[in-house]
Amino acid sequence: GAVVSQHPSRVICKSGTSVKIECRSLDFQATTMFWYRQFPKQSLMLMATSNEGSKATYEQGVEKDKFLINHASLTLSTLTVTSAHPEDSSFYICSVSRAAYEQYFGPGTRLTVT
Amino acid sequence: QKEVEQDPGPLSVPEGAIVSLNCTYSNSAFQYFMWYRQYSRKGPELLMYTYSSGNKEDGRFTAQVDKSSKYISLFIRDSQPSDSATYLCAMSAQGGSEKLVFGKGTKLTVNP
Repeated sequence: GAVVSQHPSRVICKSGTSVKIECRSLDFQATTMFWYRQFPKQSLMLMATSNEGSKATYEQGVEKDKFLINHASLTLSTLTVTSAHPEDSSFYICSVSRAAYEQYFGPGTRLTVT
Repeated sequence: QKEVEQDPGPLSVPEGAIVSLNCTYSNSAFQYFMWYRQYSRKGPELLMYTYSSGNKEDGRFTAQVDKSSKYISLFIRDSQPSDSATYLCAMSAQGGSEKLVFGKGTKLTVNP
């Protein structure tokens, strides 16, 4: 498998502020990481594909200026939620692709915007 | 029609029962089929993956893919209370860095 960590695990912020979430691949170098969002009782929805050293690819309907992704190294990708609003409250999960057919997920970050 | 359909349940079974979880899909380009287990407030954990049609067994878990019917299944034998979780199917047209499309997940409870 693969070991993926996320930090923080939970964060509460006020509306209008920005929040940064880190995703780390602990045991191998990941050229590609994925960011997902999961609302209660809903499935995971892919937000963007993060590519080391280049711009992220965003899914349709995801605002790239609101959800800033930086993949500066082979072991770290960050997601910054800018000017957060209550509707951004969700469970954010990253994953890394280690080999064909295999994606491994981090433990997730629960964001609450008040 | 959604690309991947999965009955959200909930599904409740007694300990020791055989559990059957299923997903249907509409995209005939899907070639890779995965099952993930997600405990509450945790990230999904990869259980099994299968390429194209066929069966795959791993301990108490068996994954089946029927591409002609666009139907996949996960069977859990001798279910245990520790199997209580949400099970998500996921699919992709290509392996590796290809993005996954997930089902909504089925919430399973195994009662002691």
